[in-house]
Amino acid sequence: GIQVEQSPPDLILQEGANSTLRCNFSDSVNNLQWFHQNPWGQLINLFYIPSGTKQNGRLSATTVATERYSLLYISSSQTTDSGVYFCAAHPNDYKLSFGAGTTVTVRA
Amino acid sequence: EAGVAQSPRYKIIEKRQSVAFWCNPISGHATLYWYQQILGQGPKLLIQFQNNGVVDDSQLPKDRFSAERLKGVDSTLKIQPAKLEDSAVYLCASSLAQGLFNEQFFGPGTRLTVL
Repeated sequence: GIQVEQSPPDLILQEGANSTLRCNFSDSVNNLQWFHQNPWGQLINLFYIPSGTKQNGRLSATTVATERYSLLYISSSQTTDSGVYFCAAHPNDYKLSFGAGTTVTVRA
Repeated sequence: EAGVAQSPRYKIIEKRQSVAFWCNPISGHATLYWYQQILGQGPKLLIQFQNNGVVDDSQLPKDRFSAERLKGVDSTLKIQPAKLEDSAVYLCASSLAQGLFNEQFFGPGTRLTVL
């Protein structure tokens, strides 16, 4: 099956800082999702982004499907951005395969 | 619009006991998924339903796990008998369809502890 790798595994930020999370995938994908898992374990949908760039407030994402990667940008980070960020890829068989996640800690 | 509902939120059982989890997907979503998330890892797909039919259960440990979606709406996942390594969060998700336009939405999960 498809391999999804996320980097870095851990990220510590000072409030107000910007950061970039990366997701590499080993095969072509029909779609890609970014999630934020909050401290209570809920997976919150951030982006559904097969290609191109999308923005939602302080977050934006870019997927370059031909080069098999996606980036999640967090700008002006806040303590509420803390949690685990997951990238998940839909390959041609439509199974959603998750990466191991990036744990983000934003300090006040 | 109501999200994916799951119950219970937490469950603690002894090994070899049985347990069942319930999921109600977003209204109108034909495809339902059950995932297992072990601490420190990403969720792993256990089973996928399209309406009330199984699309993929290749990762489901069928000797102890079973799932059904009899009327094509809500679903139950059962573990019998439970093992220590089944301790995990069990997540239910739904999407409008499978294939293209298949953005998945997740419920809050059930945290299972097997002692």
